[in-house]
Amino acid sequence: AQSVTQLDSHVSVSEGTPVLLRCNYSSSYSPSLFWYVQHPNKGLQLLLKYTSAATLVKGINGFEAEFKKSETSFHLTKPSAHMSDAAEYFCVVTLYNAGNMLTFGGGTRLMVKP
Amino acid sequence: GAVVSQHPSRVICKSGTSVKIECRSLDFQATTMFWYRQFPKQSLMLMATSNEGSKATYEQGVEKDKFLINHASLTLSTLTVTSAHPEDSSFYICSATDRGAGGYEQYFGPGTRLTVT
Repeated sequence: AQSVTQLDSHVSVSEGTPVLLRCNYSSSYSPSLFWYVQHPNKGLQLLLKYTSAATLVKGINGFEAEFKKSETSFHLTKPSAHMSDAAEYFCVVTLYNAGNMLTFGGGTRLMVKP
Repeated sequence: GAVVSQHPSRVICKSGTSVKIECRSLDFQATTMFWYRQFPKQSLMLMATSNEGSKATYEQGVEKDKFLINHASLTLSTLTVTSAHPEDSSFYICSATDRGAGGYEQYFGPGTRLTVT
């Protein structure tokens, strides 16, 4: 079985300050992990993915995430928030032997203040 | 590459009617397509998984007679909400895995906003 917990339902930062969105996972096997972003009334856009290669993964728009097996975490970070980063972010886990089934975290709404 | 489209993007229908939503993989052959439902300010909930040419596998609690899924080709899956009711109003999102790329990453469509009046 696998599960994903996004520890914060809402995160508010000021423009230009760092972003940290937390994600912890539970998995019996080596997982693949993803971060997706969803803007209002839009579909999901892949930010980055971890698939058992480098543990520090760089994504689009300056985001990166580090896979820490010992902490079962995959936190998303960005050094400097931009107003356009305001959106909903989903941490997602999947297993190769789970038929490509994705398990979604509850989501974190990122708000960016000017 | 790996673009998934959905049609329509928004639909309003009357209670008791049926609505069909299309999901297409535009530049790849989809091994598997998935249908999700998203309530306001909530995460995505997997409704069903469909493979081309076979019956869809529905998640627990999802009525297969209510939400009909047809995956007639490697680039098209349809979700039909039959006898829609206001509680079926939601954001429906499909995704597809790319057969040619090993089929483990899902590419998401832009979603369809269904409103039942």
